[in-house]
Amino acid sequence: NAGVTQTPKFQVLKTGQSMTLQCAQDMNHNSMYWYRQDPGMGLRLIYYSASEGTTDKGEVPNGYNVSRLNKREFSLRLESAAPSQTSVYFCASLGGQANEKLFFGSGTQLSVL
Amino acid sequence: GNSVTQMEGPVTLSEEAFLTINCTYTATGYPSLFWYVQYPGEGLQLLLKATKADDKGSNKGFEATYRKETTSFHLEKGSVQVSDSAVYFCALSIYNQGGKLIFGQGTELSVKP
Repeated sequence: NAGVTQTPKFQVLKTGQSMTLQCAQDMNHNSMYWYRQDPGMGLRLIYYSASEGTTDKGEVPNGYNVSRLNKREFSLRLESAAPSQTSVYFCASLGGQANEKLFFGSGTQLSVL
Repeated sequence: GNSVTQMEGPVTLSEEAFLTINCTYTATGYPSLFWYVQYPGEGLQLLLKATKADDKGSNKGFEATYRKETTSFHLEKGSVQVSDSAVYFCALSIYNQGGKLIFGQGTELSVKP
């Protein structure tokens, strides 16, 4: 039981390059989320998906797109990376007894030069 | 709007010292409250939660009580260990808002032997 798996763990991009962050969960959870973590700002929600086939914007969606490919996978795409997108990105899925517990991946550290 | 405010870190304690990390919130609905912990190089993990006023969440010696009158959810531990060194995040979620969590900025705890 792997939980939430993110790839890659580290990435360095040049301004203007594109990339996709991959996330998969094996817990049969409906809802999945992408957060970014910046010093002094906690975690901020980028996009989320309440169920397969649906996606919604979070607090800081600009510059990002997402795809909920199937129930397991939820990817985050940066079409044209900017230095302001340098951050640590976390994928999470929602589960637990009362469906109130977030399960997090181990994160992707992204640097945009 | 909804928000979470935590005391600023870093907090540095000696082993066996008493820990308090303050957390206050603002919410328009009836939130559930959480503490998540992030160990170095890892994603966040749920530490404890409380879903209604006067509930006490507890886990691994940590406790927090949901105080509606003071809109607070302070984290406490009677005797910290070196292994408790981590970043602690207070968070809230509002019922019927898709499980989205709003996080505080995080408080880094360092415990010295």
